[in-house]
Amino acid sequence: AQTVTQSQPEMSVQEAETVTLSCTYDTSESNYYLFWYKQPPSRQMILVIRQEAYKQQNATENRFSVNFQKAAKSFSLKISDSQLGDTAMYFCAFRSNTGNQFYFGTGTSLTVIP
Amino acid sequence: NAGVTQTPKFRVLKTGQSMTLLCAQDMNHEYMYWYRQDPGMGLRLIHYSVGEGTTAKGEVPDGYNVSRLKKQNFLLGLESAAPSQTSVYFCASLRDATNEKLFFGSGTQLSVL
Repeated sequence: AQTVTQSQPEMSVQEAETVTLSCTYDTSESNYYLFWYKQPPSRQMILVIRQEAYKQQNATENRFSVNFQKAAKSFSLKISDSQLGDTAMYFCAFRSNTGNQFYFGTGTSLTVIP
Repeated sequence: NAGVTQTPKFRVLKTGQSMTLLCAQDMNHEYMYWYRQDPGMGLRLIHYSVGEGTTAKGEVPDGYNVSRLKKQNFLLGLESAAPSQTSVYFCASLRDATNEKLFFGSGTQLSVL
């Protein structure tokens, strides 16, 4: 089975600053997808960004970008110009290209301080 | 376009009671999933289905049963609820094996006393 590890249970950042959330994973697959989901207090799960393992270029979505290191099995999320609305739980997730299941990390609770 | 709808949103049960959570999607998705979310443990897969009439066990299936009699619906049953099943339950759907975008419902908060 695949495993996803988020080693930072809680983090905080000043508004307008940059913060990086860490994620590592373990797999023997060569083709897979990686995701970051945001869960605000509303509880809704929102897809923030996704990365396909065969693409070497790091994915970017506005203020959100990833640092994908395939050899190191690392997939960190960088949030630039942090906003109060970024306060949420963030989950890293993995899906094999050949599997049916998504595997989630334990989450990082991010607080943006005004 | 409702997406993924979970019913109910909140429920309180007594130990030993039974209940069914309903997940409905209107996107004609093949795959559907039930997760539970507990503090410090992330989302853990309970059961999933890759098509109408099929179900499979996930990481934490004990104490739960599921059915997918219709493509659009995925039911999660608790036959005899236990306090350890107090959790937030999420349903999700995926168009098919070639797609990677998971659509989530808004969750069900279940408390077992």
